[in-house]
Amino acid sequence: AQSVAQPEDQVNVAEGNPLTVKCTYSVSGNPYLFWYVQYPNRGLQFLLKYITGDNLVKGSYGFEAEFNKSQTSFHLKKPSALVSDSALYFCAVRLSDSNYQLIWGAGTKLIIKP
Amino acid sequence: DGGITQSPKYLFRKEGQNVTLSCEQNLNHDAMYWYRQDPGQGLRLIYYSQIVNDFQKGDIAEGYSVSREKKESFPLTVTSAQKNPTAFYLCASSIILGQPYNEQFFGPGTRLTVL
Repeated sequence: AQSVAQPEDQVNVAEGNPLTVKCTYSVSGNPYLFWYVQYPNRGLQFLLKYITGDNLVKGSYGFEAEFNKSQTSFHLKKPSALVSDSALYFCAVRLSDSNYQLIWGAGTKLIIKP
Repeated sequence: DGGITQSPKYLFRKEGQNVTLSCEQNLNHDAMYWYRQDPGQGLRLIYYSQIVNDFQKGDIAEGYSVSREKKESFPLTVTSAQKNPTAFYLCASSIILGQPYNEQFFGPGTRLTVL
């Protein structure tokens, strides 16, 4: 079955330290990969996506993600965390030949402590 | 401002009642989606529509209905057949036109509570 896994329910990071939010996927075909962020009681905001080409993708708010085909991973990273980065982060994947539906991870709560 | 609007923000329903959640977009997007979000779970797709007057069931369509009479609007009705409707409902839209790598844009959500 096709799936997306975010193995950590919660990630705690001190402000100023680098952060990583993990995402792995299991799909057939060539995937398009996305990261979204959700603040409390709000809709999701798009952060970045991988389509093809350079494995390191840069996105909004200083976030970046690295696509690793051999490890089927797409981890979200930021060199220096801010308290305002605290939110719920979702990874999603869409197959290149799909009917445009997304497969979603369960989300990772990121807590940045001052 | 371009974007997606959902109304109401909070909705309370008595058991046995049908309620309709509104979703409007002025992004000129072809596709629209309804998701349900429960605590600790990812988004689950209820219905989606790629074109006016056409829509498809998602993973959890039972107890829900939709219509797509206009490109801009995709209302969701939560019927009395939905056994556990208390959740946060998110509407989204995206461009299709042969470009599956386009991201989805989300509305602010409607929180439905059954009393």
